[in-house]
Amino acid sequence: QQQVKQSPQSLIVQKGGIPIINCAYENTAFDYFPWYQQFPGKGPALLIAIRPDVSEKKEGRFTISFNKSAKQFSLHIMDSQPGDSATYFCAASPITGGGNKLTFGTGTQLKVEL
Amino acid sequence: NAGVTQTPKFRILKIGQSMTLQCAQDMNHNYMYWYRQDPGMGLKLIYYSVGAGITDKGEVPNGYNVSRSTTEDFPLRLELAAPSQTSVYFCASGLRGGGDEQFFGPGTRLTVL
Repeated sequence: QQQVKQSPQSLIVQKGGIPIINCAYENTAFDYFPWYQQFPGKGPALLIAIRPDVSEKKEGRFTISFNKSAKQFSLHIMDSQPGDSATYFCAASPITGGGNKLTFGTGTQLKVEL
Repeated sequence: NAGVTQTPKFRILKIGQSMTLQCAQDMNHNYMYWYRQDPGMGLKLIYYSVGAGITDKGEVPNGYNVSRSTTEDFPLRLELAAPSQTSVYFCASGLRGGGDEQFFGPGTRLTVL
C-alpha cells in the first residue's frame, strides 16, 4: 500500500516558471514532511521540510504548502532555473516512535528549459 | 568530513551469489538507514539502526541482513542474490530520529544477472 502519492511523474517548465509538485498522504500519524532533491548519479539531499503546525514554509525560492485537513502538501519553485532540473521526492514520517522511517513518494522528474 | 561513503559504486552479481554493501559515516550519527531505489518507485526503506547494536526492519527487508557493530559502519548483506534485487542502494545517516535530516551516500548500483 503506497502511503504517499506524488504527482506529476514528470514536469517541463520554462526558465522563470513556477513548477508545482503535489503529494498526498494517508497515514494520520505522519507529522514530518520533507522534500528531497536528487541529481543524476547522486544521492538525495534535503531541500526543505515542514511540520503540520504551519501551513507554509519558504526557504529561498522553494516553498512548501501544507493542508492538514486534506492530507496534502506541495512544493513550489519560484523563478525556476535550469540548475533546478532534478528529481524531487516528497516524504513523510512520524516524528515520535523512533527511527525517522521516511515513506517516500515515487518522485517527479523536473526539467527547466531555457 | 567525508560524510556518508558507500562502496562499491557498481557491482554485477550472478544469481545466487552473496555480497556485502559497505556504508560508513564520519559524522557521529546515531541513526543509519538502507534504502533501495527502483525506477518510478521512489526509495524504499530496507533496514535501519538507531545506534550500535540495534537494528530493525523497514518496508522491504526480505533477502537482506544488516549489522551495526560500531557507530560508523552499517553494512548491508545480500544472501543468494536474485534479479529482483537489481537496484540502486543508498545508505543514509541522521543525528537524531524523528523530524531530522537524513544525509545520503552516493549509492551503489547493483545488477543481478
